[in-house]
Amino acid sequence: DGGITQSPKYLFRKEGQNVTLSCEQNLNHDAMYWYRQDPGQGLRLIYYSQIVNDFQKGDIAEGYSVSREKKESFPLTVTSAQKNPTAFYLCASSILYGAYNEQFFGPGTRLTVL
Amino acid sequence: ELKVEQNPLFLSMQEGKNYTIYCNYSTTSDRLYWYRQDPGKSLESLFVLLSNGAVKQEGRLMASLDTKARLSTLHITAAVHDLSATYFCAVENWYSGAGSYQLTFGKGTKLSVIP
Repeated sequence: DGGITQSPKYLFRKEGQNVTLSCEQNLNHDAMYWYRQDPGQGLRLIYYSQIVNDFQKGDIAEGYSVSREKKESFPLTVTSAQKNPTAFYLCASSILYGAYNEQFFGPGTRLTVL
Repeated sequence: ELKVEQNPLFLSMQEGKNYTIYCNYSTTSDRLYWYRQDPGKSLESLFVLLSNGAVKQEGRLMASLDTKARLSTLHITAAVHDLSATYFCAVENWYSGAGSYQLTFGKGTKLSVIP
């Protein structure tokens, strides 16, 4: 089955801790994205990557970091510098420069700061 | 900066009734997507609209795109409880600085269908 997996489903962080959210896809997509969703809000782009070993900041990158060492994987680290990290985090992927670039989403990780 | 506005943000409707959700956007784009999100779940793709005048239908939902008016609509016919969810529109735009296409999402319309 082709798709996007995210883990863990729920994550609890103590103040001052860094945590890493996993995102893996087997759709052979070049582009991968991380979004943050707050209650009653749309999605806001944190980081995206179009090729391995390259990534760009989105609208709200402060306090987050990413890596793209493999095409299939795009982990997101929420650092202690992110002051309000409690949110629902969604990973997505898409082809690049196709007729259209529909994004497909993983199941999400809900992060709560204790 | 591309802005995407959905309205209404909240919609409570009775089963069997019809209603339309509107998605307005601020800059030229030929590609628009509609997604559905159930509570606590991820986004599920509903429709891909790729050109002016595009119309797609699936069951009780029909989406259309008017690129000249920068408007997309999601029409619900004879609503049923299973359609209760949050619906997002997302507009695709080319960002030359980044050299890539990006999606900008509306805030979503939370639909509750009441028996």
